[in-house]
Amino acid sequence: DIQMTQSPSSLSASVGDRVTITCRASQTISTFLNWYQQKPGKAPKLLIYAASTLQSGVPSRFSGSGSGTDFTLTISSLQPEDFATYYCQQSYTTPLYTFGQGTKLEIK
Amino acid sequence: EVQLLESGGGLVQPGGSLRLSCAASGFTFSSYAMSWVRQAPGKGLEWVSGISGSGRTTHYADSAKGRFTISRDNSKNTLYLQMNSLRVEDTAVYYCAKERSLRNYGMDVWGQGTTVTVSS
Repeated sequence: DIQMTQSPSSLSASVGDRVTITCRASQTISTFLNWYQQKPGKAPKLLIYAASTLQSGVPSRFSGSGSGTDFTLTISSLQPEDFATYYCQQSYTTPLYTFGQGTKLEIK
Repeated sequence: EVQLLESGGGLVQPGGSLRLSCAASGFTFSSYAMSWVRQAPGKGLEWVSGISGSGRTTHYADSAKGRFTISRDNSKNTLYLQMNSLRVEDTAVYYCAKERSLRNYGMDVWGQGTTVTVSS
């Protein structure tokens, strides 16, 4: 099974900061990596698919990069509505999926 | 508007059964694979099961194999998850999610979730 490890598990940042979250796969997954945002009490929302493609309607301050085993999600300038938990998901073994453990982004 | 609405959650004793439903609207339901994803209290997301658009192909996480059955009724635009032999560790919010037409490209529509509590 492919394991997904995110770092950090939690992160404190301020509005306007540039933030990077990392996701590492236990084996190569090409660019079959998706990112989700989840706010408390809400369903996850797809932000980025195929490692770097922005889902329709997602602000351009979000970006993704990486291939193989190492991936990053970057928020270029944090906005108040971006404080949430972020999950990576590998879809290399579609239709079997694995999520990372999540990164909680909190206000400093 | 594309929408998914789950129902059927509740409190059940260990060893009991529950059937979750997910009503879809706003898209051609039969054209898309669907998944169930759960989230235990205070924990992360766990993919549970998936089904092809036709319903002919199903897949399960190890935690669900032999106990859960995913199905769909395309004439009713509804997805189901039959859960048997429930355990305390199955307690979670269960989400249904629509997969993109290219299944490698993530799940782009999610329901609001339904809560399953397994407790004596």
